[in-house]
Amino acid sequence: GQQLNQSPQSMFIQEGEDVSMNCTSSSIFNTWLWYKQDPGEGPVLLIALYKAGELTSNGRLTAQFGITRKDSFLNISASIPSDVGIYFCAGRGAGGTSYGKLTFGQGTILTVHP
Amino acid sequence: DTAVSQTPKYLVTQMGNDKSIKCEQNLGHDTMYWYKQDSKKFLKIMFSYNNKELIINETVPNRFSPKSPDKAHLNLHINSLELGDSAVYFCASSQDPMSYGYTFGSGTRLTVV
Repeated sequence: GQQLNQSPQSMFIQEGEDVSMNCTSSSIFNTWLWYKQDPGEGPVLLIALYKAGELTSNGRLTAQFGITRKDSFLNISASIPSDVGIYFCAGRGAGGTSYGKLTFGQGTILTVHP
Repeated sequence: DTAVSQTPKYLVTQMGNDKSIKCEQNLGHDTMYWYKQDSKKFLKIMFSYNNKELIINETVPNRFSPKSPDKAHLNLHINSLELGDSAVYFCASSQDPMSYGYTFGSGTRLTVV
């Protein structure tokens, strides 16, 4: 089945620093998504990407859909304490087997020290 | 109004018991899902229903049985609970099976002792 490899697994940073995380796939994806999960809550969609090469921003967050369609990255600029949480990449592959199914990466646990 | 609500939020039970988790969405979405998040935070799809019909069943033990009485509800019944079933179970919904915009519930933390 489709698998996403997300890195790093965890990050410990100081408030104000920039953060970068990425996701790679062994197969082509048609859609890349980035979600954030706060403690005790379900994931919430941050950014959605639909086309190879697409670069999209949402406030301090910027994400890109890789040209090869097999990778994506998420950058967070000037981190603040409320950025703490788990960030997941997710994607939908090409082909019928992806019908009704998003595949999630393993998550990046972000800790921000004030 | 909570868009996707799950009950209960916490469930502690003994091995061998049977339990159910309920999920309701008020978004008018056609598609609902159950995901399992293990201790390493990995999210894995279990089931998906579109308009009350099962469209995805991902190699889940048959002790797990989803039921969708209508498109706004998707319940999960688990028979003969095992220690390895301990996890957080998330319900989610989307407009249709190809929509990217999943709305997740806040999860049900199941602990089997």
